[in-house]
Amino acid sequence: AQSVTQLDSHVSVSEGTPVLLRCNYSSSYSPSLFWYVQHPNKGLQLLLKYTSAATLVKGINGFEAEFKKSETSFHLTKPSAHMSDAAEYFCVVSDLKDTGRRALTFGSGTRLQVQP
Amino acid sequence: KAGVTQTPRYLIKTRGQQVTLSCSPISGHRSVSWYQQTPGQGLQFLFEYFSETQRNKGNFPGRFSGRQFSNSRSEMNVSTLELGDSALYLCASSPRTSGSPDTQYFGPGTRLTVL
Repeated sequence: AQSVTQLDSHVSVSEGTPVLLRCNYSSSYSPSLFWYVQHPNKGLQLLLKYTSAATLVKGINGFEAEFKKSETSFHLTKPSAHMSDAAEYFCVVSDLKDTGRRALTFGSGTRLQVQP
Repeated sequence: KAGVTQTPRYLIKTRGQQVTLSCSPISGHRSVSWYQQTPGQGLQFLFEYFSETQRNKGNFPGRFSGRQFSNSRSEMNVSTLELGDSALYLCASSPRTSGSPDTQYFGPGTRLTVL
């Protein structure tokens, strides 16, 4: 069975400072991992995904994440926050279910606030 | 390419009624998944369809059902609505079945309010 833990429900940063959103996962198999962003009243947009290639994954809008198997972590970072980054971020694991088919499990989300 | 579209965007129903939500995937995508998003439970997987067959199912009661048509469009139905069914229902499409970790592309959601 798989699970995803987002360690912070809220993160507040100042514009221009680094962003770190933390995610730990557990998985019985080799997982694929994703970060999605959700702006208010919108659907989810894919930021980046890890599928067992390079451990450092670059995504859209300057975001990147590093897969660390030894720490079972997949933290999301951005060097410099922008006001438009304010949103909710979801860490997601795609893993095999008992049915033998993959399904997504979502973390509980981290709300990022960006202060001017 | 047009994105995933969901209709209606907003819906208000009363307890005991039933509701049908519609999802049109990205052109060429054959897999459609449905999720329920609530403040208390977060995002939960409902079911996934591929080639008109349900391939995966989450832990929801039988009041929640779905289907997929030959053009890959999907509908989900909730019967005997309860107050707790109030949620944002998200549809996502991907090119093929979830046998491999395909990226899912989400629609804007349908906001269902049950009074």
